[in-house]
Amino acid sequence: NAGVTQTPKFRVLKTGQSMTLLCAQDMNHEYMYWYRQDPGMGLRLIHYSVGEGTTAKGEVPDGYNVSRLKKQNFLLGLESAAPSQTSVYFCASRLSPATYYGYTFGSGTRLTVV
Amino acid sequence: AQKITQTQPGMFVQEKEAVTLDCTYDTSDQSYGLFWYKQPSSGEMIFLIYQGSYDEQNATEGRYSLNFQKARKSANLVISASQLGDSAMYFCAMIPRAYNNNDMRFGAGTRLTVKP
Repeated sequence: NAGVTQTPKFRVLKTGQSMTLLCAQDMNHEYMYWYRQDPGMGLRLIHYSVGEGTTAKGEVPDGYNVSRLKKQNFLLGLESAAPSQTSVYFCASRLSPATYYGYTFGSGTRLTVV
Repeated sequence: AQKITQTQPGMFVQEKEAVTLDCTYDTSDQSYGLFWYKQPSSGEMIFLIYQGSYDEQNATEGRYSLNFQKARKSANLVISASQLGDSAMYFCAMIPRAYNNNDMRFGAGTRLTVKP
């Protein structure tokens, strides 16, 4: 029962470097999300996907790109990392858009940009 | 857009006592869902409880209950008989019930510390 798996768990980047965070789920969920968590601000939605091949912007999309080439995977990319992107990143998924379906979260990726 | 407010950055409770974590929300939608999540120090987000805006009864899940007051737009989490393992961050969240809405908004969280 892997659920939602995020890799890597920790990463330190230099300003201007690029990287990709991988989210994989084995629950056959259609909907996937990337959030960032900053102190005192709760979680904020970066991008999301409602199915394979689809992506959409959330509340704070600038500086990030995403891709959903396979149903089970949702990738978050940082093309040119900035210190403001230092955060904890969470991936989540859910089966249905019905409101009562809560999200299943991954364990998070702690990213530091120096 | 909807907004979630958790006014208690930190709370302390004695073991075995009950504690209420506050959550208020602001939305123009008539139909929505409310959630509480727990985040222990290990970092994962754990779903605790759900309340639909049209549910007539307050939701309960074991030691967790949600005190839902729709007119006041509040959705407070009540934890009964606190345990040391309840020490964690707690997040209130809301999503409108409009089909295909994917914008779940979270509050800033409350850090609960249970004292032995």
